Amino acid sequence: SQQGEEDPQALSIQEGENATMNCSYKTSINNLQWYRQNSGRGLVHLILIRSNEREKHSGRLRVTLDTSKKSSSLLITASRAADTASYFCATDVTGGSEKLVFGKGTKLTVNP
Amino acid sequence: DAGITQSPRHKVTETGTPVTLRCHQTENHRYMYWYRQDPGHGLRLIHYSYGVKDTDKGEVSDGYSVSRSKTEDFLLTLESATSSQTSVYFCAISESQGHYGYTFGSGTRLTVV
Repeated sequence: SQQGEEDPQALSIQEGENATMNCSYKTSINNLQWYRQNSGRGLVHLILIRSNEREKHSGRLRVTLDTSKKSSSLLITASRAADTASYFCATDVTGGSEKLVFGKGTKLTVNP
Repeated sequence: DAGITQSPRHKVTETGTPVTLRCHQTENHRYMYWYRQDPGHGLRLIHYSYGVKDTDKGEVSDGYSVSRSKTEDFLLTLESATSSQTSVYFCAISESQGHYGYTFGSGTRLTVV
């Protein structure tokens, strides 16, 4: 079963608006990562937040992590049409595993 | 994507035939992974490698085998392709487990008819 689950499955907004995507996971993690996938392309790493961090910023991206609720959110501010993509969270599970477990993704559409 | 290439990009094969997909990296990263992506399932790990000749199974390894004889190459073989293996296959690399993000290849779209 999936470790991470994104919510919502799909999101449609207007250019200039903020987009918020959420990720919930089930077990303890070392870190949580967010990726973007444009249609027909591979995934691109956006940001990594460690389990002892609560918030992280990168450009127009803001990621929060609440380990007590086992959840994370990705905020994209002042969205652009070029932000249209699918966004995935991935968790690095505590316990020595050497791999990321991905969620099913949120499909974001930014309308011009 | 810089530093990682997958081949072929597209392939159509018949049920029952063996198929090998190749992932090649120029980053000298220790860890390499094969994922498949299907609608409604997201990305699921097939096999991964943590060094030359060191591989392990992922979540959906049945019907697949891998080999890594050199740091730069990680091969995924479908021993006898089935229609359920029609999918998009992604290779990924990482420098250090858990500390950095993965770099993904552009994917191989495989159709089994």
